[in-house]
Amino acid sequence: DTGVSQDPRHKITKRGQNVTFRCDPISEHNRLYWYRQTLGQGPEFLTYFQNEAQLEKSRLLSDRFSAERPKGSFSTLEIQRTEQGDSAMYLCASSFAGTGSVGYTFGSGTRLTVV
Amino acid sequence: SQKIEQNSEALNIQEGKTATLTCNYTNYSPAYLQWYRQDPGRGPVFLLLIRENEKEKRKERLKVTFDTTLKQSLFHITASQPADSATYLCALDMRSQGNLIFGKGTKLSVKP
Repeated sequence: DTGVSQDPRHKITKRGQNVTFRCDPISEHNRLYWYRQTLGQGPEFLTYFQNEAQLEKSRLLSDRFSAERPKGSFSTLEIQRTEQGDSAMYLCASSFAGTGSVGYTFGSGTRLTVV
Repeated sequence: SQKIEQNSEALNIQEGKTATLTCNYTNYSPAYLQWYRQDPGRGPVFLLLIRENEKEKRKERLKVTFDTTLKQSLFHITASQPADSATYLCALDMRSQGNLIFGKGTKLSVKP
């Protein structure tokens, strides 16, 4: 297991188009998170799954955003009708949820540019 | 309102010195606090976590303190090296939520 993988690394799209990103977490991890990061800011929480259940969504996540994690394995994040404000680095992370706090393992991210 | 503040956007120090980064928060009661390192164009990498009932945690040249009264964590890198140059992020684990809440980060530059 080589860590958390994200695909693609970069995506340039025209405003109004739909885009989909994929995340493959560490196989032993039961939690998967999506964050968004813009230049000079820290990662901003979007949503997370425990196994296949989506347990929380940020209020920042508009109706244009949808995430899935079928069978509790990989996850996809789709953005419909992209806007220039969606340009950011989209980060996926995974962890094993136990009784205490654990560090997240992040992927290298997908950089989205909406033109 | 709830805020997480990391003391400065950028910190420049000389190689061999100790770097001290600050994370302050208001209107949160985290059960844990975590620190991450992020290099340009990469995802954050987990470094250390500290529990609310722990005062200090160490790992090699890294030391973290956590003062729940002051609502502050300090992150120290001793004998700093140019390879330590990166952005360092603090993150709060609220336990009541399933996700971490991140600060903006401090960009550390260690000059030879």
